[in-house]
Amino acid sequence: DQQVKQNSPSLSVQEGRISILNCDYTNSMFDYFLWYKKYPAEGPTFLISISSIKDKNEDGRFTVFLNKSAKHLSLHIVPSQPGDSAVYFCAAAADSSYKLIFGSGTRLLVRP
Amino acid sequence: ETGVTQSPTHLIKTRGQQVTLRCSSQSGHNTVSWYQQALGQGPQFIFQYYREEENGRGNFPPRFSGLQFPNYSSELNVNALELDDSALYLCASTFHRDRYGYTFGSGTRLTVV
Repeated sequence: DQQVKQNSPSLSVQEGRISILNCDYTNSMFDYFLWYKKYPAEGPTFLISISSIKDKNEDGRFTVFLNKSAKHLSLHIVPSQPGDSAVYFCAAAADSSYKLIFGSGTRLLVRP
Repeated sequence: ETGVTQSPTHLIKTRGQQVTLRCSSQSGHNTVSWYQQALGQGPQFIFQYYREEENGRGNFPPRFSGLQFPNYSSELNVNALELDDSALYLCASTFHRDRYGYTFGSGTRLTVV
């Protein structure tokens, strides 16, 4: 039973354009969401997060949007850069828990 | 400030054997979690240790066990290895009040043959 789903295994965008990565969840108890980026042979690195009391959080080129009614969140990267090419994982957590539930990841390729 | 270091980076074991993976937490972190990442999937929570005690466990059998030491380093032990245990094992540390401020290590790639 996948509680966090990333339905697009891969995404390819042109440098300078917007990258939009999507994530859906099923557990209404989730109240904190995170995005991680992972390069080959490295561990996941934290990118940006959002609490369920917000619907948007920005950090530089990265913005995360949360739609609680649709149980959907998205990560926008503007403008996309070749160095953004990596696997992006969406993760969710409930306040009562310490564990992160990850999606299966989306591989982003930013073409020069 | 050092990050999370894991050893070894790669390991090949035979089915039925036992394996121990090691993790050194980031300086200042007192909580460690272990995750299993199978090929093509996201990391799955195995368990978490705080103050040398397990304080949460995912859906993994008892043959997966762990230890946390006074210096906050940690071990993951897997007994009676199965082929499906082949995966990348990730260690993540944080300070317990920073619930989700995990720093991940680069992982140990375990192959069971």
